[in-house]
Order: sequence, then C-alpha cells, then structure tokens
Amino acid sequence: TQLLEQSPQFLSIQEGENLTVYCNSSSVFSSLQWYRQEPGEGPVLLVTVVTGGEVKKLKRLTFQFGDARKDSSLHITAAQPGDTGLYLCAGKHSGTYKYIFGTGTRLKVLA
Amino acid sequence: GAVVSQHPSRVICKSGTSVKIECRSLDFQATTMFWYRQFPKQSLMLMATSNEGSKATYEQGVEKDKFLINHASLTLSTLTVTSAHPEDSSFYICSAGVAGGQETQYFGPGTRLLVL
Repeated sequence: TQLLEQSPQFLSIQEGENLTVYCNSSSVFSSLQWYRQEPGEGPVLLVTVVTGGEVKKLKRLTFQFGDARKDSSLHITAAQPGDTGLYLCAGKHSGTYKYIFGTGTRLKVLA
Repeated sequence: GAVVSQHPSRVICKSGTSVKIECRSLDFQATTMFWYRQFPKQSLMLMATSNEGSKATYEQGVEKDKFLINHASLTLSTLTVTSAHPEDSSFYICSAGVAGGQETQYFGPGTRLLVL
C-alpha cells in the first residue's frame, strides 16, 4: 500500500515553464524528503523538511511542507531539460528510521 | 560526502539460481541499511531494514526466506535472492543511514537483476 500519493504521475512541459508536483498523505510525517532519480541510478536527495509550514529553496526549486505535515509540494521555476527525471517524495513517521516513498512523478522538459 | 556502492551493477542469471548483491558504505559507518526494489516506471518499494549484528526487519509481503539479508559489519550488507525467477527481475537499491543521523540516508547506484 502506497501511503504517499504524488500528482501528477507524468508531466511533459516546454523549457522555461513552471510546474508544481504534489505529495499527499492521510498520515502525519515527522520528516519528508524529496529525491530526483535518473534512469538506471539511485535516487539523489534534494531536500529534507521537518517543520510544518517549512519552505526551502534550492536554486529554482522550492519545497514546502504542509502545516499539518501530511503533504508537501515541489515547485520548479523556469524548468530546464536538465530537470528531467523521476521525482520522489519520501516520508518518515515519528519513532521509525525508515522512509516510505511516494508513487513518483516522471518529468520531461523539452528543449 | 558519504558514498555507498553496490556490486554488481548488473547481473543476469538463470531461473532457479541464487544471486548475492553487496551494499557497502565506503567512508562512513552505517548502523542501518535499507533494501528497496524498483520495477520499471515505478517508485521504490522498501523490502527490509537491516541493522548491523541483528536480524533484518522485512516489510509486509516480502518473503524473508527468499530475500536473505545479512548485515555483518557497519560497512557491509548483503541481499541474496534465492532461487530467483523471472518475476524477481528488478532494480534493487540499497541505502545506508549514518549513525546518529537518522534523517539522512545515502543511496547506492542500484543493481539491475535480470532472471532468464
């Protein structure tokens, strides 16, 4: 059972456009991470958020953790072809060490 | 930064054989390692959590007798797929948690298994 639902599942946009990816759950997480994965490689950590309402920026990427710590969003400004990849959110419940991954969003940015 | 390696990167085997995949933390000690499986165009599914010196904890639906996990040292965990079948073909990824820093896990590059 996937506890973290991501939307959209697939996204194909033109270079320069903005986009937002959502990660939603019915349960509360003590922390949430976002990863990007290229084909045939392991996922690479982009950010970790731990506080409800927290906003973090990484160049053109803006991450937000929901006030109730049940959801998160990733916004990319002026997308570039190099942003193409599989974006994954992963949440951790309080008292555990393991992260549960979301369903994933496959992004393709066309030049 | 912390580096995690996996070996082999790709393996092709015949149905019925066993395959061992190694996961090593190269420059840090990992008290906890995680094993994931990823089918094509899907997300990562946690298979088990491996703690050094103790038995692994398997997720619901994962057969512990089929996927043997050994975490013999703070830098090495192994996953053995026993009597592999074509449906076991997948991308297997490990991650290692830094002792004292449970928020961060470092992922290996993955191992692609193809069972013929």
